[in-house]
Amino acid sequence: QQQVKQSPQSLIVQKGGIPIINCAYENTAFDYFPWYQQFPGKGPALLIAIRPDVSEKKEGRFTISFNKSAKQFSLHIMDSQPGDSATYFCAARKGANNLFFGTGTRLTVIP
Amino acid sequence: KAGVTQTPRYLIKTRGQQVTLSCSPISGHRSVSWYQQTPGQGLQFLFEYFSETQRNKGNFPGRFSGRQFSNSRSEMNVSTLELGDSALYLCASSYNTDTQYFGPGTRLTVL
Repeated sequence: QQQVKQSPQSLIVQKGGIPIINCAYENTAFDYFPWYQQFPGKGPALLIAIRPDVSEKKEGRFTISFNKSAKQFSLHIMDSQPGDSATYFCAARKGANNLFFGTGTRLTVIP
Repeated sequence: KAGVTQTPRYLIKTRGQQVTLSCSPISGHRSVSWYQQTPGQGLQFLFEYFSETQRNKGNFPGRFSGRQFSNSRSEMNVSTLELGDSALYLCASSYNTDTQYFGPGTRLTVL
């Protein structure tokens, strides 16, 4: 049973576009929602994270929007660059170091 | 600060063998978590160790075990290897229950 559902599976955008990746969850006990970026042959790297008492968080070109009532959150990448081409994972955690990951979105940014 | 290191980076074993993977967390981090990443199942939590004690455990069979030493370094052991154990095994460290930082992973291939 997938505790965090992520879409789309893959995404292709032009350079400068704003890719949006969506995630949904059911367990209201989740208290921390990070996004990770993974390049081939590397481990996931934390991009940005949000707690459920905040509706939006920005760090550089990355923004998380969080809708607690809908149990959904999304990642927006502003002014996307070819170097942003990677796989992105959303995740959720409930109180301890046990992350439930989404299935990943493979992003390709075309120059 | 040096990041999370994992050894070995690549490993090839045959069915029925056992394997031990090692993880050195970021200096000062007391929590080490292990994850399995496969194309079919994605990223799945195996277990977490904190101050030499297993604090959380995922839904994996008893063939998967781990331990943590007094210097916070951790090892993961898989006994009686099966073909389906082929995966990227990732280790993540954190100070307590905050941000998890991932290592590059150990790629295990079971023949």
